[in-house]
Amino acid sequence: KAGVTQTPRYLIKTRGQQVTLSCSPISGHRSVSWYQQTPGQGLQFLFEYFSETQRNKGNFPGRFSGRQFSNSRSEMNVSTLELGDSALYLCASSLDMASNQPQHFGDGTRLSIL
Amino acid sequence: GQQVMQIPQYQHVQEGEDFTTYCNSSTTLSNIQWYKQRPGGHPVFLIQLVKSGEVKKQKRLTFQFGEAKKNSSLHITATQTTDVGTYFCASSQDSNYQLIWGAGTKLIIKP
Repeated sequence: KAGVTQTPRYLIKTRGQQVTLSCSPISGHRSVSWYQQTPGQGLQFLFEYFSETQRNKGNFPGRFSGRQFSNSRSEMNVSTLELGDSALYLCASSLDMASNQPQHFGDGTRLSIL
Repeated sequence: GQQVMQIPQYQHVQEGEDFTTYCNSSTTLSNIQWYKQRPGGHPVFLIQLVKSGEVKKQKRLTFQFGEAKKNSSLHITATQTTDVGTYFCASSQDSNYQLIWGAGTKLIIKP
């Protein structure tokens, strides 16, 4: 079974630009969560999607948005990029977070803002 | 909201020594999950505990869930270089199923 696939793996952008990251979950997984990870900040929850609906949202500004498609693939968009957005963005899928299923992570997208 | 405090932030050990990381909450946790993230890698699920006082073992790793379901620990006996990484605990909120993550404990093996 293929794992969680995130593309691209690396991305370099400049301030003010926008970026879209993609996540393909494990086949059969309907819940997709996004996290931001920076050194010393641990895993910061962005949002979770289930059946194309945003079910949970973390404390991030509205510049961070996402969506989920009918095949459970998810995208995350960040607009008006700031230097502080430089981080590893991780996507995780599970059968259903609501039933406390474990999360399976992708390798992440490392975003660098210049 | 619910918070999970994880300590210590770092632990330096000699290879062969033991390692322990703790997670604590002021509120009752419905469950606790443990993950390991190797340097340069992504978090990998290790185990989930749901019952009060539960103890589970995976080879040299022992996971415990407190009787009051407010704390949990991960203990590694006789650490090896393959144990290097950051260990995270996470627990879901009953209200919205969102996973609340501890800050992680980084295990460093002294050369």
